[in-house]
Amino acid sequence: EAGVTQFPSHSVIEKGQTVTLRCDPISGHDNLYWYRRVMGKEIKFLLHFVKESKQDESGMPNNRFLAERTGGTYSTLKVQPAELEDSGVYFCASSQVTGSKGETQYFGPGTRLLVL
Amino acid sequence: AQSVSQHNHHVILSEAASLELGCNYSYGGTVNLFWYVQYPGQHLQLLLKYFSGDPLVKGIKGFEAEFIKSKFSFNLRKPSVQWSDTAEYFCAALNTGGFKTIFGAGTRLFVKA
Repeated sequence: EAGVTQFPSHSVIEKGQTVTLRCDPISGHDNLYWYRRVMGKEIKFLLHFVKESKQDESGMPNNRFLAERTGGTYSTLKVQPAELEDSGVYFCASSQVTGSKGETQYFGPGTRLLVL
Repeated sequence: AQSVSQHNHHVILSEAASLELGCNYSYGGTVNLFWYVQYPGQHLQLLLKYFSGDPLVKGIKGFEAEFIKSKFSFNLRKPSVQWSDTAEYFCAALNTGGFKTIFGAGTRLFVKA
C-alpha cells in the first residue's frame, strides 16, 4: 500500500512569490492534516480535512495560506505571497475515521520550503 | 493549554548504552500518546502508541514507553541503543476522539559507534 506522498520534496522561492504544495493521502483515508515545522521548533498543526471539508483550520498562521481538498482526495496548500518566516518543513498526514478511539496518523516525507 | 514537552533537545550515547527520553504532557481528559521517529532523510514513522490498557507499551526496534498518569509522563526507553537509532524522536499527544496532534519539540539522539 502506498504511503502519504508529498510534492515537491523541496522548494526554494523568493519572498513575495507563490508556492503550492501537494499532498496525496493514503487511499481510503478521509482525514487529511497539514503540519509545519519551523527550523528548530516543534511540529505544529495547521489544519484538518474530513473528505473535502475543513474540520479545523485553527492552526493556519494567516490569510496568506490557503488549503484545498477538492473532491476529497489530494490536497494543496498554497502560500501567497510567501514571507521569510514561512520557511520550514510542511508535513501532510492522513488517517482513517475510527470513531471514538484514538487514531494513528501516517505522515508524508514533508516538503522543505525555503523563502529567500 | 494543551502541550507536550520533551526534556532533552540533544542526547549523545555510545552504542549499548541505555536510553530514556522524557516526555510530559498537559491535557484535559483522556489522551492518546505517541512516539514518532524520523531517521535521517526519512519520513516520520510511528514508533509506538498508547490508547488504553497496559501502560507499558512495546514498539518497534526494541523501544518501549510507559504511561504514568499520575506524572503525566510517557517516557521512551530502550535498554541498549545501536548506531542505527540515531534519529530525531518526537513525543505527541491527541485527545481521544480528537484529531489535532500536539507534538513536543523533538529530541535528537546521536549514537556513537
